[in-house]
Amino acid sequence: GQQVQQSPTSLVLQEGENAELQCNFSTSLNSMQWFYQRPGGSLVSVFYNPSGTKQSGRLTSTTVIKERRSSLHISSSQITDSGTYLCAMEGMGYKLTFGTGTSLLVDP
Amino acid sequence: EAAVTQSPRNKVTVTGGNVTLSCRQTNSHNYMYWYRQDTGHGLRLIHYSYGAGNLQIGDVPDGYKATRTTQEDFFLLLELASPSQTSLYFCASSEWDRGRDERLFFGHGTKLSVL
Repeated sequence: GQQVQQSPTSLVLQEGENAELQCNFSTSLNSMQWFYQRPGGSLVSVFYNPSGTKQSGRLTSTTVIKERRSSLHISSSQITDSGTYLCAMEGMGYKLTFGTGTSLLVDP
Repeated sequence: EAAVTQSPRNKVTVTGGNVTLSCRQTNSHNYMYWYRQDTGHGLRLIHYSYGAGNLQIGDVPDGYKATRTTQEDFFLLLELASPSQTSLYFCASSEWDRGRDERLFFGHGTKLSVL
């Protein structure tokens, strides 16, 4: 079945540092999304990025379909960026398969 | 912004009990989903639907039933709850339209404890 591998599992940054989160897919994909989740909270879509590069403020997502990977770059991290970032792929059938997430902690 | 509302927010039941989790979305999305989230497993798809009366089996369907009564409403049923079903349950909706916005919108989750 479809598998989604995220790395790193966890990450600790000092405020102002940059972060690069990775997502690798075991099968071909039609599209992928990045989500943000606070502890015990709901998930909020950060990027819908089927291919190429997209930027939103300090966040940049790059998806390379042929290489079955996507990355999320966070620049100048802030304390409020702390939480879990999950990636998910849509292989076929209009449903998403999720990775297990990267837990990010940004310290002051 | 898409709105997905789940109820209840918290639920405690005993082993063998019946539980119904409710989800309503107000954006006329065609697809709705039920996921469970557990430490170490991420989000796993239980059931999903692409319209009223339709039901598709997800990746972890055992012990769960679901019903989509209207475009807006999707229910998850646990008829003989077991402790292994203790989890955080999320409902989500999406409008799949190739080349347009296919984001998934989530509810706030239901924390279910089966004692």
